[in-house]
Amino acid sequence: QKEVEQNSGPLSVPEGAIASLNCTYSDRGSQSFFWYRQYSGKSPELIMFIYSNGDKEDGRFTAQLNKASQYVSLLIRDSQPSDSATYLCAVSSERGAQKLVFGQGTRLTINP
Amino acid sequence: GAGVSQSPRYKVAKRGQDVALRCDPISGHVSLFWYQQALGQGPEFLTYFQNEAQLDKSGLPSDRFFAERPEGSVSTLKIQRTQQEDSAVYLCASSPSSRGYEQYFGPGTRLTVT
Repeated sequence: QKEVEQNSGPLSVPEGAIASLNCTYSDRGSQSFFWYRQYSGKSPELIMFIYSNGDKEDGRFTAQLNKASQYVSLLIRDSQPSDSATYLCAVSSERGAQKLVFGQGTRLTINP
Repeated sequence: GAGVSQSPRYKVAKRGQDVALRCDPISGHVSLFWYQQALGQGPEFLTYFQNEAQLDKSGLPSDRFFAERPEGSVSTLKIQRTQQEDSAVYLCASSPSSRGYEQYFGPGTRLTVT
């Protein structure tokens, strides 16, 4: 079992709809959770982070964390074609530890 | 302000050659990380520095890989006697936090070993 799992997609969503991206992790001691966006041929760009159970909203993005279920998700409201990218879920495995463990990413396509 | 920069952006090496990849972190960032990203995969951790101290090198795949950050700023990742399986994008990230939260990535160096 991989430490961080994501559906590789591709996930296709019509413009203006809500895109829902999911991630599960295996280490119950994980404390910090990050979503990165990576355009083709570019480097990962941090878009959201969440540390506590519940929801965190930033503009059109909402990160949701459920530690009991070891599940973290990213919702993108009013999806735009410019949101088309690979979304990487990353987990910091221990409190105070620094390395990030990434999932393989979900490729998202927003159709105009 | 200036982000993380890496050089070269592309490197082609013949099998057996040594290569050196450079990372300039965001000014003042304490933490610096190296990751390796294979095509279609997420980045995989290689090593971590806090200032000049290398605190974690558990991800380095073999003793052919060596990293340094002698003055706590610029870092170099060196790969000796390159092999085809070393072909990947090497990403550098820096963080203002000593805990490494909120890591910001550079553009990467694409290494191709022929």
